[in-house]
Amino acid sequence: GQQVMQIPQYQHVQEGEDFTTYCNSSTTLSNIQWYKQRPGGHPVFLIQLVKSGEVKKQKRLTFQFGEAKKNSSLHITATQTTDVGTYFCAGPYTGNQFYFGTGTSLTVIP
Amino acid sequence: DTGVSQDPRHKITKRGQNVTFRCDPISEHNRLYWYRQTLGQGPEFLTYFQNEAQLEKSRLLSDRFSAERPKGSFSTLEIQRTEQGDSAMYLCASSFSSYNSPLHFGNGTRLTVT
Repeated sequence: GQQVMQIPQYQHVQEGEDFTTYCNSSTTLSNIQWYKQRPGGHPVFLIQLVKSGEVKKQKRLTFQFGEAKKNSSLHITATQTTDVGTYFCAGPYTGNQFYFGTGTSLTVIP
Repeated sequence: DTGVSQDPRHKITKRGQNVTFRCDPISEHNRLYWYRQTLGQGPEFLTYFQNEAQLEKSRLLSDRFSAERPKGSFSTLEIQRTEQGDSAMYLCASSFSSYNSPLHFGNGTRLTVT
């Protein structure tokens, strides 16, 4: 079963509002990856975090890896309709099995 | 575009029938993964290959499922004696073998078992 939990499961925001999704692992991760899946599409890689406490930015997206390397977050500033989709975190367990989180589905209301 | 391709895009089958899906990974990638995704859930790991060797298989995977990658290029996933619970999107992904290389997914095969 899933070893990576994400909250919230769903989030509706007005365009221009900020959005944050949180990812929690039951065990320490060597790294964490984030993916975005548009409605009807497939997961697309966004970023990878490796170091404890690491923060990376991609334009309006800010990714953070927790100090204990068991949690991570994705924050989107001033959401746009193009941000619609489901955001997944994924971490490696027992070798190279990447386990995906439960995902957060983002709806942006124009 | 030389991304990951999967065939067919959709498959409707009757319960008890066997089905086979194909995945052609990005040619430079030597790792190939199969995932299953149901509505509202994240992709669930099924199995992965390093070249032609199947290195890991989910303990949750029924023995009705089998995957091959005979020449280290394309892969097939076969489901025997399909059940309605097998209805899902089956995703293939590939990557380089370097540590924690990102996964590149195909568009998936949507299976419906009636």
